[in-house]
Order: sequence, then C-alpha cells, then structure tokens
Amino acid sequence: KNEVEQSPQNLTAQEGEFITINCSYSVGISALHWLQQHPGGGIVSLFMLSSGKKKHGRLIATINIQEKHSSLHITASHPRDSAVYICAVPVDGAGSYQLTFGKGTKLSVIP
Amino acid sequence: DAGVTQSPTHLIKTRGQQVTLRCSPKSGHDTVSWYQQALGQGPQFIFQYYEEEERQRGNFPDRFSGHQFPNYSSELNVNALLLGDSALYLCATSWGGRELFFGEGSRLTVL
Repeated sequence: KNEVEQSPQNLTAQEGEFITINCSYSVGISALHWLQQHPGGGIVSLFMLSSGKKKHGRLIATINIQEKHSSLHITASHPRDSAVYICAVPVDGAGSYQLTFGKGTKLSVIP
Repeated sequence: DAGVTQSPTHLIKTRGQQVTLRCSPKSGHDTVSWYQQALGQGPQFIFQYYEEEERQRGNFPDRFSGHQFPNYSSELNVNALLLGDSALYLCATSWGGRELFFGEGSRLTVL
C-alpha cells in the first residue's frame, strides 16, 4: 500500500514569502491530489495532477512521477493562505479508487 | 453550480442511535466517496459508490452502510453509534476519474 510522507509538518512564514511543501509516496500512481483544509472546515481540492506542472493563481504544483515526489508552492504568501495542506494518492497505486492521505502541513502566514 | 452539498452540517446523537448523512454531488458527477475525519487526523476512506453500487470499501465495520440514488446523490448510514464515531464526515464527488470535489462535511458528535 502507498505510504505518503509530507514535509514539513508545520510551517510559519512571513507574509510575502515563497512557500514550498513536499510530498513523497512509495507506489506508482495515476494522479496525485493537493488539498486545503481550514480549521474546522471542509476540504477544498487545489490540484489533481499526473505529470508536469499546474498553476492556479499564486499556487503551483509539480510532480515527478519517476522520483515519486510532488511539491506545492505558494508565491507571495498571504495570511488567508493559513491552513492545512494535504497530499493524497491512490492507496494501491494506479487504478485504485481509495485515496490515502498525508498527515498534512500546517501553514501559518504572519502579517 | 452549487458544488457538493452535505447535510446536516452538525448533529448530536447518543450512543446506540442511528444516523443518516446526505450528499448531493456537483452537477455532472456520478461517483461519490465518503471519508471519516477524526479530530486532528487525516481523512479515512469509508466507501465509494458508482452506478448505485458500492465499488470499493475501506476498513470500516458493517455498521457503516450507504446508498446511491439514480440522481447520483448518496447517503451514509451509521448504526449503533459509538463514542468513537464522533468525527467530520466528508463526501467527495467526481466524474470519469477526474478531480475530486469535497463538501464542507457533516460534523457528528456522539455523547
């Protein structure tokens, strides 16, 4: 079964800083999800990617399938970006419908 | 487009009772997955429904059951509630294996 490792677990940044969150997994996959969860709230899907790079506003996600690694970048971070960021992959690799989740990275952006 | 809608948003039950949670998928989505997220933990996969059938199931007891209706909406039923069932229950929908959309969740408290 896929093992997901995220780093760092906690991250504090000053407003405007460039943020990088990393995710590694152990079994080859068809796609990886990056998710955002605010305290006490539901989950918002940020990206689903299977190769290369995707960009949405100040968020950029990259994935290297060969190295089984993905990164989420936030440019010009803002206090409203404070949340838990979670990566998720199919638990049994490609073709599995069940996702397994990383433990999350708690981001705090200070004004 | 209303996105994924879950109801109720909050509810309180006592041990031994039964609960039904509901999920209306994003327009055009035909696949519904349910997740349980205990406080401070990552989401755990309960099961997924497609074409009104349970397609895959996580490691949850038979007290957890579900249903998908012809309009793709879904219910999660939990019988004989235990204190440990207190959690945020998340519904995620998709179509064709594409990006997941999550609801805001139903927060269940069992006393």
